[in-house]
Amino acid sequence: QSVLTQPPSVSGAPGQRVTISCTGSRSNIGASSDVHWYQQLPGTAPKLLIYGNSNRPSGVPDRFSGSTSGTSASLAITGLQAEDEADYYCQSYDSSLSGYVVFGGGTKLTVL
Amino acid sequence: QVQLQESGPGLVKPSQTLSLTCAVSGGSISSGHYYWTWIRQPAGKGLEWIGRIYTSGSTNYNPSLKSRVTISVDTSKNQFSLKLSSVTAADTAVYYCARGRFGERLDYWGQGTLVTVSS
Repeated sequence: QSVLTQPPSVSGAPGQRVTISCTGSRSNIGASSDVHWYQQLPGTAPKLLIYGNSNRPSGVPDRFSGSTSGTSASLAITGLQAEDEADYYCQSYDSSLSGYVVFGGGTKLTVL
Repeated sequence: QVQLQESGPGLVKPSQTLSLTCAVSGGSISSGHYYWTWIRQPAGKGLEWIGRIYTSGSTNYNPSLKSRVTISVDTSKNQFSLKLSSVTAADTAVYYCARGRFGERLDYWGQGTLVTVSS
């Protein structure tokens, strides 16, 4: 059971827009801890996609965007492309116990 | 460009200690703005944060693993290490090392190494 909750899967046709939700609590996202998103292509290491809730590292297309509201965060992908098919993970910091980094369970994006 | 490379045994027997090393290249592990972390991923499952170390030696561990985990750093070799004791089959996973920075984002990752726990 992950501390951050994501839908197991989402799908969309090429060119469409999809969103992936990440639900946390008052001890992580709701405590204003930054949310980061990672893209994991099959057989590879995760890659930082969005950091600090809504910032893109150099080289990440502006089709990818992030946002937060209350105890949740969202990743939006517009103009879906076949190469976007991957697993996506949200990550934050939880201040409960002695504090630790937490991940969502991951969402598999299928491009139809 | 910073690069991280995990190394260590791919097979560990149950009840023994898993030991991995992450070699950092393209930058000094002692750079003050970063920390160094371990994450694992069982086959077909999600990511689990194991713990982290600052070059000061300060550590933080996942509460669920804390009693079995030790992370250390060797600045002279520009590397850091993971030890996980009393392993069981549930510890079988791909283990990643990564660099962390302000806000807890993990910006550089190793390619990962598969560790199987089996007799």
